[in-house]
Amino acid sequence: GAGVSQSPRYKVAKRGQDVALRCDPISGHVSLFWYQQALGQGPEFLTYFQNEAQLDKSGLPSDRFFAERPEGSVSTLKIQRTQQEDSAVYLCASSLNGNEQYFGPGTRLTVT
Amino acid sequence: RKEVEQDPGPFNVPEGATVAFNCTYSNSASQSFFWYRQDCRKEPKLLMSVYSSGNEDGRFTAQLNRASQYISLLIRDSKLSDSATYLCVVNGFYGQNFVFGPGTRLSVLP
Repeated sequence: GAGVSQSPRYKVAKRGQDVALRCDPISGHVSLFWYQQALGQGPEFLTYFQNEAQLDKSGLPSDRFFAERPEGSVSTLKIQRTQQEDSAVYLCASSLNGNEQYFGPGTRLTVT
Repeated sequence: RKEVEQDPGPFNVPEGATVAFNCTYSNSASQSFFWYRQDCRKEPKLLMSVYSSGNEDGRFTAQLNRASQYISLLIRDSKLSDSATYLCVVNGFYGQNFVFGPGTRLSVLP
């Protein structure tokens, strides 16, 4: 079946621009996670949804980061006024049971 | 101390070797443990969950030691295709906040 998809796969933004990253989870998966991965490091948790409810956003690095999942399926991670330190790969994962996670290919964001 | 720590790599081993990775975690209340593998410039893929009793999947064996708060992954008869970064994952302090270790890179050499 179809896995997790993310778009765009690559995004170049000028510093100060807003970006929106999309995640389409596996159909029927209740849980959805966003991670940020810098080069050479493990993914860092950003936020977690169960259906449309955002149950944990403790990992969002600043109030410039915002995530939503209004209908409990597709999710969008928005970054306002991007900074160079936001350059990273943003990974989305979905899970049926909240434990084993299946990742999308990621969006590589470069802020220039 | 970081929440999840792993052996610093890289590990360079010949084909057919047995290699073991260790991971330690700081949250004694953690309940869920996993190993993922990540190929270069790809997304992490679930390798196996780690159960209290230990579990085996073909050439891969995972063990959990709750008392010492560490997890291990053993790969037997390593193949070239096992070359990847291996990530240890533990559920964190708050609900579903999963914490990834920094990863250990493995290169299996012909």
